[in-house]
Amino acid sequence: GAVVSQHPSRVICKSGTSVKIECRSLDFQATTMFWYRQFPKQSLMLMATSNEGSKATYEQGVEKDKFLINHASLTLSTLTVTSAHPEDSSFYICSASGTSGGAEDEQFFGPGTRLTVL
Amino acid sequence: KQEVTQIPAALSVPEGENLVLNCSFTDSAIYNLQWFRQDPGKGLTSLLLIQSSQREQTSGRLNASLDKSSGRSTLYIAASQPGDSATYLCAVSPGTYKYIFGTGTRLKVLA
Repeated sequence: GAVVSQHPSRVICKSGTSVKIECRSLDFQATTMFWYRQFPKQSLMLMATSNEGSKATYEQGVEKDKFLINHASLTLSTLTVTSAHPEDSSFYICSASGTSGGAEDEQFFGPGTRLTVL
Repeated sequence: KQEVTQIPAALSVPEGENLVLNCSFTDSAIYNLQWFRQDPGKGLTSLLLIQSSQREQTSGRLNASLDKSSGRSTLYIAASQPGDSATYLCAVSPGTYKYIFGTGTRLKVLA
């Protein structure tokens, strides 16, 4: 149980285009979803927290107009990187927390999406 | 501001050794602490979750301890195997659904 998937697993795009990454909780309702970014050989940095049906809360230094987050249902959150630039190239990981039956507040992580912007 | 540090940053050991990975955090007001494993280019696999009221958790060859007052946690891996090679991350939760991740320990177990 408590499986989180991400799609796509990797994407290459041209500078200036927008890219959408999906995060799905497959077997539980995710009341809260999180988006992290990980640069090579660095740890994960939280970008934003989203609750179903409400606006995402962004961490300091993360541009909300550049990283659009939509948490439209209890099983799906999307991250759209708008007008992508090479410096946006990174590994994006989502996690979900909710009524999974696991320990309270435990987060379950997706497999990540490797974004490369040319 | 909570900071999480892991020592050592990298570790290479022969197969069969018992080893200890360390995690320290600056603010003891945490809700829980979780240890993860990350293989190259992959997402995170949860290993052990310790609630703030707990002292340790065990799963197979893994044992994690938590000393909240001193801001420390250790992950003990018994009888290490080449398949244990990965990056190990610890993360603390201040109770606001956020996780603050450590810097990671890259472990290589040699056959």
